Amino acid sequence: QSALTQPASVSGSPGQSITISCTGTNDVGSYSLVSWYQHHPGKAPKVLIYEDDRRPSGVSNRFSGSKSGNTASLTISGLQAEDEADYYCCSSAGSNTPSFGGGTKLTVL
Amino acid sequence: QVHLQESGPGLVKPSETLSLTCSLSGGSINSGGYYWSWIRQLPGKGLEWLGYIYYRGDTHYNPSLNGRLTMSLDASKNHFSLKLSPVTAADTAVYFCAVWVNWYYFDYWGQGSLVIVSS
Repeated sequence: QSALTQPASVSGSPGQSITISCTGTNDVGSYSLVSWYQHHPGKAPKVLIYEDDRRPSGVSNRFSGSKSGNTASLTISGLQAEDEADYYCCSSAGSNTPSFGGGTKLTVL
Repeated sequence: QVHLQESGPGLVKPSETLSLTCSLSGGSINSGGYYWSWIRQLPGKGLEWLGYIYYRGDTHYNPSLNGRLTMSLDASKNHFSLKLSPVTAADTAVYFCAVWVNWYYFDYWGQGSLVIVSS
C-alpha cells in the first residue's frame, strides 16, 4: 500500500482556478483509477471525481480531474467560498486495498 | 438515495473493543459490486481505509491494523458492523462508513462517528 502525496494546503481567491495534485508510485498510473473527495469537517465526504476524470451527476462542472503518468490532478475553476474544504485523492492501483492521499486544505481568500 | 448512518459508543476504554454499526437506508446491503467499508480520520490527519465486507461475507482489512479488525454484516437488518480490539488511544478518531463501488470509488458516506479511547 503506497502513499499518495498531496500538498498540505492551497489557496485562491473567488473566481480563480486552483489545481491540487496527487502523486504516487504504484498507486497512480496506468493500472489505477483515481477518485477525489471533498470533505467539510463534521459532514460526510462527497465524491467529486471518479475513474480519473468522471464527474457524478449533481457535481458542479467547476470540478474536473485529470491524470498524467503518476500524478493525478483536481482542478476547481471559478472558486467559491463554499469550496473551502479538505480534498482527498484515492487510488487502489487495481487492487482491493485503497489508499488515500494525506489531504489538501483549500482556503478561499 | 442511499443513506448511511454510524452508531455506537463515543467512549471506549483502552484494551477494550470498539464496536460500531452502519445502518443503510434507501438501498440493499445485498447489492453486487458494493463493498461496505469503514474509514477513519485520526485527529488532525487524513483518511485511512480500514476494511470492507462484501454481501457474500468476503472481508479484506488494512494490514496496518495487525489483525485487530473484524467486520460483519446482517442482511436482515440492512447493516454492517466493525469491531476493533484491543484499542489504544491511537485509535481515537472519527469513523466513517462508506460504500466502495466496484473497487473504484466511495460513493456514499455516513457523517462519521467520533470515538475517543480513554480511561
